[in-house]
Amino acid sequence: QVQLVESGGGLVKPGGSLRLSCVVSGFTFSYYYMSWIRQAPGKGLEWVSKISTSGAGSYTKYADSVKGRFIVSRDDAKNSLHLQMNSLRAEDTAVYYCARASSDGYDYWGQGTLVTVSS
Amino acid sequence: EIVLTQSPGTLSLSPGERATLSCRASQSVSSSYLAWYQQKPGQAPRLLIYGASSRATGIPDRFSGSGSGTDFTLTINRLEPEDFAVYYCQHYGSSYTFGQGTKLEIK
Repeated sequence: QVQLVESGGGLVKPGGSLRLSCVVSGFTFSYYYMSWIRQAPGKGLEWVSKISTSGAGSYTKYADSVKGRFIVSRDDAKNSLHLQMNSLRAEDTAVYYCARASSDGYDYWGQGTLVTVSS
Repeated sequence: EIVLTQSPGTLSLSPGERATLSCRASQSVSSSYLAWYQQKPGQAPRLLIYGASSRATGIPDRFSGSGSGTDFTLTINRLEPEDFAVYYCQHYGSSYTFGQGTKLEIK
């Protein structure tokens, strides 16, 4: 069955960096666009980034709130998605979900990994 | 940037009743790229409806979506106890905006 498993969350100081990973199984990863979506404690969902398939050039797009600080990448050989987060701020504190993007929306999600930015 | 506004913020209903949730876009969007998600506490969101009116795999037929242009609706008939959750609409076309959510709570 389809599984997405995030890792890499934790506590980091403001200005620090963190790299999230999402390992997938149960589908052909290279065929799909992928996204990161986050949810601050007690708040709604915020789309963070997307990456196209490698065949489409691994095109990336970011929310304005993270542009220039976050970098999304993918490794099709390892069925993995990554989010490099730099210059972290308190407002980046959230659960970060990876999700599979299809023409039908985000049809599969991981369980999320918590990132806490605090001194 | 497209802004999605959901209403009401909180909806209090009893099991067996019908829920009607609204999602209004700041500009006309393609209904082909309008989705609804359900999220329960401590869980990841789950895709319910895509293309404004198509149910995702395994979603019961008491869930239905409708609308076009700027106004979209999620209807849940005959509410079951497990339906009480937070619901988000999303446009996943040129932008990927989520609405702020509607909390459906037991009255």
